Amino acid sequence: NAGVTQTPKFQVLKTGQSMTLQCAQDMNHEYMSWYRQDPGMGLRLIHYSVGAGITDQGEVPNGYNVSRSTTEDFPLRLLSAAPSQTSVYFCASGRGNEAFFGQGTRLTVV
Amino acid sequence: EDKVVQSPLSLVVHEGDTVTLNCSYEVTNFRSLLWYKQEKKAPTFLFMLTSSGIEKKSGRLSSILDKKELFSILNITATQTGDSAVYLCAVGGGGSNYKLTFGKGTLLTVNP
Repeated sequence: NAGVTQTPKFQVLKTGQSMTLQCAQDMNHEYMSWYRQDPGMGLRLIHYSVGAGITDQGEVPNGYNVSRSTTEDFPLRLLSAAPSQTSVYFCASGRGNEAFFGQGTRLTVV
Repeated sequence: EDKVVQSPLSLVVHEGDTVTLNCSYEVTNFRSLLWYKQEKKAPTFLFMLTSSGIEKKSGRLSSILDKKELFSILNITATQTGDSAVYLCAVGGGGSNYKLTFGKGTLLTVNP
């Protein structure tokens, strides 16, 4: 019963490096999204997708890219990491009702 | 811009107390309001409310939505130390349940 799986759980990057955070769900959900959570800021929506081939920007999209080639996967790419992107990242999936969250990726950019 | 405001930001109570957490919102084309509990890791779903005045209950937790006054409350009765967590309120708007706007959360600490 995997649900939403995020990898890696922890990552340290140097400024300017690129990386991809992986997210996969096995519940056949249409909707997937990425949030970042910072102290005192709650969860902020980065990008979301309502189905394969369809993505859109959320509240804080700058510095991040996404694609949705399959229903199951929704990777988040950081093209050139900056210290301001140090955060905990959550992927979520859903089907019009409650969103189910992955366990999070703690990213530190030094 | 959609907005969700939770209060209080933090709360400390003793076991057995009853607490009320508040969530007010301003969103375009409201679809639903959701409550989540977040302990160390991922938020876990508690309730989804779409209709005004209908209480949702699960054990010691209950929640109600007032669409006229644009707010919701989450009640926890007979609190236990295991209720200690951040409680998040989120609103689905803009014509979609999918695009959730979250409040900053209420940190609840229940002391023995």
